[in-house]
Amino acid sequence: GEDVEQSLFLSVREGDSSVINCTYTDSSSTYLYWYKQEPGAGLQLLTYIFSNMDMKQDQRLTVLLNKKDKHLSLRIADTQTGDSAIYFCAAYTNAGKSTFGDGTTLTVKP
Amino acid sequence: DTAVSQTPKYLVTQMGNDKSIKCEQNLGHDTMYWYKQDSKKFLKIMFSYNNKELIINETVPNRFSPKSPDKAHLNLHINSLELGDSAVYFCASSQEGPQRVSKNIQYFGAGTRLSVL
Repeated sequence: GEDVEQSLFLSVREGDSSVINCTYTDSSSTYLYWYKQEPGAGLQLLTYIFSNMDMKQDQRLTVLLNKKDKHLSLRIADTQTGDSAIYFCAAYTNAGKSTFGDGTTLTVKP
Repeated sequence: DTAVSQTPKYLVTQMGNDKSIKCEQNLGHDTMYWYKQDSKKFLKIMFSYNNKELIINETVPNRFSPKSPDKAHLNLHINSLELGDSAVYFCASSQEGPQRVSKNIQYFGAGTRLSVL
């Protein structure tokens, strides 16, 4: 089955860019997602990308997809303290299931 | 209005007890899920139902039994609670019909924090 991996921790200074990386194993993954989980809350979809795209930009967020290497990244420009959260990468295949990574805890220091 | 609501928000109980967590979604979605998030924040899918039919059942002890009375509700009943069941349980839903052509964007509830003493 699909395996999704991401590093567990990232620490940046306020105002810097953050880059969170993710790899997946199933080349038939059609949609790839980034979810954000703030303390004490459920996951919320941040952004997603379809597998026939290699980049998607939404305000401070840039998603890059390298389908050949099965690598997904999320770049947050001008990172703010409010961006501190856990970020989950997920991949969806036509088998009808989304597989989530273990989450990257982003800490933004003032 | 909350899109995916689960009750209770907190549940503290003794080992060996039986408890239920309820979930309701008002988004008109066809598919609902239960996830378990452990103390390390790792998220694992437990069950998925599409139109009241079980479609995903990961390796979960038989003590856990999901029940979907209709497509807007997916409840989780846990028998003979153990210390290792302590976790945050999340319900989610997505608009995914039988043809599976949707984006499978999932909407999560706020979670139920279960503590087994």
